Amino acid sequence: SQLAEENSWALSVHEGESVTVNCSYKTSITALQWYRQKSGKGPAQLILIRSNEREKRNGRLRATLDTSSQSSSLSITATRCEDTAVYFCATMSNYNVLYFGSGTKLTVEP
Amino acid sequence: EAAVTQSPRSKVAVTGGKVTLSCHQTNNHDYMYWYRQDTGHGLRLIHYSYVADSTEKGDIPDGYKASRPSQENFSLILELASLSQTAVYFCASSDGTGANYAEQFFGPGTRLTVL
Repeated sequence: SQLAEENSWALSVHEGESVTVNCSYKTSITALQWYRQKSGKGPAQLILIRSNEREKRNGRLRATLDTSSQSSSLSITATRCEDTAVYFCATMSNYNVLYFGSGTKLTVEP
Repeated sequence: EAAVTQSPRSKVAVTGGKVTLSCHQTNNHDYMYWYRQDTGHGLRLIHYSYVADSTEKGDIPDGYKASRPSQENFSLILELASLSQTAVYFCASSDGTGANYAEQFFGPGTRLTVL
């Protein structure tokens, strides 16, 4: 079941620019997570934002959550080439089961 | 540092053959998961386990079995491999408790090609 979905299949920016990846989800949640997957690697968590939080930061990353519209965003400022990756949002269920979206492929060009 | 390892990293199997993918974690985590990822798509949950000797079905369990003989080890078994099971398989673990209870730590993946 596709309970979470990113709104863009691919984005491209130049180094130093900011970018935002958007996500919508279909069920009530206790938390939403953002993961990044670099080529040939497994996903790695970036941010977990709980349903009672509106914003969460982690260095150059900022996640927002709007439970009324069932949407979330992940913003990256001052992008670097190494930010090139696929970004996933994921909703949580019992036993920490995650439901991933299809992902947004971000390319940061020099 | 948290570590999830998978073996083999790559495998070519014949249709109808048996395939076993192995996962080992040194995180002391209770929860373990198997996902598959098809090219250009997200991850879909196959099986998971929250305690040794017990497994649960995920979203796409058909054609797969799982085994959790110990807290550290979680295997995915394809009894009769089919072409449609060609994919990259990821194992993950999570703690289930504490401040970072929900973070899943992923292994490097196993690329399975069924011919």
